[in-house]
Amino acid sequence: GAGVSQTPSNKVTEKGKYVELRCDPISGHTALYWYRQSLGQGPEFLIYFQGTGAADDSGLPNDRFFAVRPEGSVSTLKIQRTERGDSAVYLCASSTNPLGTNEQFFGPGTRLTVL
Amino acid sequence: TQLLEQSPQFLSIQEGENLTVYCNSSSVFSSLQWYRQEPGEGPVLLVTVVTGGEVKKLKRLTFQFGDARKDSSLHITAAQPGDTGLYLCAGENPGTYKYIFGTGTRLKVLA
Repeated sequence: GAGVSQTPSNKVTEKGKYVELRCDPISGHTALYWYRQSLGQGPEFLIYFQGTGAADDSGLPNDRFFAVRPEGSVSTLKIQRTERGDSAVYLCASSTNPLGTNEQFFGPGTRLTVL
Repeated sequence: TQLLEQSPQFLSIQEGENLTVYCNSSSVFSSLQWYRQEPGEGPVLLVTVVTGGEVKKLKRLTFQFGDARKDSSLHITAAQPGDTGLYLCAGENPGTYKYIFGTGTRLKVLA
């Protein structure tokens, strides 16, 4: 079956612009995570959804970042007034059940470059 | 703030050599996972360890969770070029579904 997909694969934008990054999780996966990975670093947690609700958004760096998952499937990460420091690879992961030992299936990521 | 430090940060070895990667924290985790990531792709899960002192083997890879569930190690026997990649540990924050990833170890195995 299809894995986690993310679009676009690459996004180049100018400082101050608004961007949306999309994640299509594996069908039936109720849990969805967003991470940000800077060059040479491990992924940094941003937000976790269980169904439609954001169960933990403690990793969002500031109020320019927002994410939604209105129907409990596809999720969109939205970044307003982008800054050069937002440049990174944004990873999405989904899993069947957040309880216990939980395998997260990752997408290939969206590489965001803010000029 | 919980941190997971991995060492070494970079490792370049010859095919057939053995190596160990360490993942250390001052915090306790409910479980700990190891992932491997290749360029342009997302991380792929290798193993999950849950119990303090637990040892799991996956072919030539041996994973151990520390007795206090604060640290872990990954040992690779007779490394092969196909083992090349970025190795990441990730600890599950107790009482949450939040995973803290380590700083990563970039391994290159030369033929």
